[in-house]
Amino acid sequence: SAVISQKPSRDICQRGTSLTIQCQVDSQVTMMFWYRQQPGQSLTLIATANQGSEATYESGFVIDKFPISRPNLTFSTLTVSNMSPEDSSIYLCSVGDLYNEQFFGPGTRLTVL
Amino acid sequence: GNSVTQMEGPVTLSEEAFLTINCTYTATGYPSLFWYVQYPGEGLQLLLKATKADDKGSNKGFEATYRKETTSFHLEKGSVQVSDSAVYFCALSDLGNYGQNFVFGPGTRLSVLP
Repeated sequence: SAVISQKPSRDICQRGTSLTIQCQVDSQVTMMFWYRQQPGQSLTLIATANQGSEATYESGFVIDKFPISRPNLTFSTLTVSNMSPEDSSIYLCSVGDLYNEQFFGPGTRLTVL
Repeated sequence: GNSVTQMEGPVTLSEEAFLTINCTYTATGYPSLFWYVQYPGEGLQLLLKATKADDKGSNKGFEATYRKETTSFHLEKGSVQVSDSAVYFCALSDLGNYGQNFVFGPGTRLSVLP
């Protein structure tokens, strides 16, 4: 199994600002995923990030709002841009392979005022 | 498209009671099925999984059997503890046209009272 860390663990931000969330894995992985979990809700996939290519975004999510970097096989960042209170959520990164389970980071709890 | 449906919560039980959380799925292929658990303030942890029909996943006293004929993967535990209080997510993984397709159910919150 992979061990995943995220920074920051939580943050409180003002509307209109941006926050970059870091995800670090203890081993090299091909596929990394970013999810959003709104209060009391299930997980929604934002995008899939593969090293060496642009992220693939799910319907309803765009690169201008959620730019993602994947500079190597152990690291990725997600930026939440021009934030509004509706962006208040837990953001989780995960890693996994085809037909295998996904391993999740502890999440970043974001509150936008 | 693929989807996962879970019984609505919250579910409140007394300690040592029997637990069942229903999960049914819709998938175009032959998915792998998972149960994840999220304890308060934490990320998701894999609880158990099954990769083909009739497989039984088990962990920490929890069990679930992959039933292709009923497209179900119900979670059971014979005797719950207060420490089992958490949100439980059923999920499937399938190969779609554009790669891995991982879908989560809405989650079921379990509260176990002493």
